[in-house]
Amino acid sequence: NAGVTQTPKFQVLKTGQSMTLQCAQDMNHNSMYWYRQDPGMGLRLIYYSASEGTTDKGEVPNGYNVSRLNKREFSLRLESAAPSQTSVYFCASSEEAGIPQHFGDGTRLSIL
Amino acid sequence: AQSVSQHNHHVILSEAASLELGCNYSYGGTVNLFWYVQYPGQHLQLLLKYFSGDPLVKGIKGFEAEFIKSKFSFNLRKPSVQWSDTAEYFCAVNQGGGTYKYIFGTGTRLKVLA
Repeated sequence: NAGVTQTPKFQVLKTGQSMTLQCAQDMNHNSMYWYRQDPGMGLRLIYYSASEGTTDKGEVPNGYNVSRLNKREFSLRLESAAPSQTSVYFCASSEEAGIPQHFGDGTRLSIL
Repeated sequence: AQSVSQHNHHVILSEAASLELGCNYSYGGTVNLFWYVQYPGQHLQLLLKYFSGDPLVKGIKGFEAEFIKSKFSFNLRKPSVQWSDTAEYFCAVNQGGGTYKYIFGTGTRLKVLA
């Protein structure tokens, strides 16, 4: 089925470790997004990519980097994980600029 | 700073009851407004959206929302809920003009009793 695929679904890291969250969409969308969801705070935009080759900071970009590898893929990297980055991470894509429409299932990340 | 408030964190209804979930935002300029839904075990999906025009917007599965500019509100409604409407509902606001910067509310968990 068409949609947004995120890997991994769960991950536990130690403080200071690095990892990359992968996201791919097969709907030929230009726009892709990374959000984090924390209890009582709703979803907050980390980074977005309006089109292949471009990325921009969202509301909470500190501690993260992203790569828009091609039109399909948009990865999120934590260079040196911190406990404050424990969260559920969602990738999304959209045909309409700025309006996340299709979300992945999320990655539950715990940092000890 | 702009914000979105969903005052009802948990709502429990019986089937066939009417639903209204509140959403208020704090931004004085042009806004685009959205409701998203996340069913248990599923990913978030767009329920309906408002950009301009008729302030009463109809979405999927019988949901509708009304934009009241004077009240800075965009409440979600459904005349008769079903057990399958059990989910978490998120309101979101975008400042318009092509900005990518959404603000999401904290969500309302709806439980519908069969």
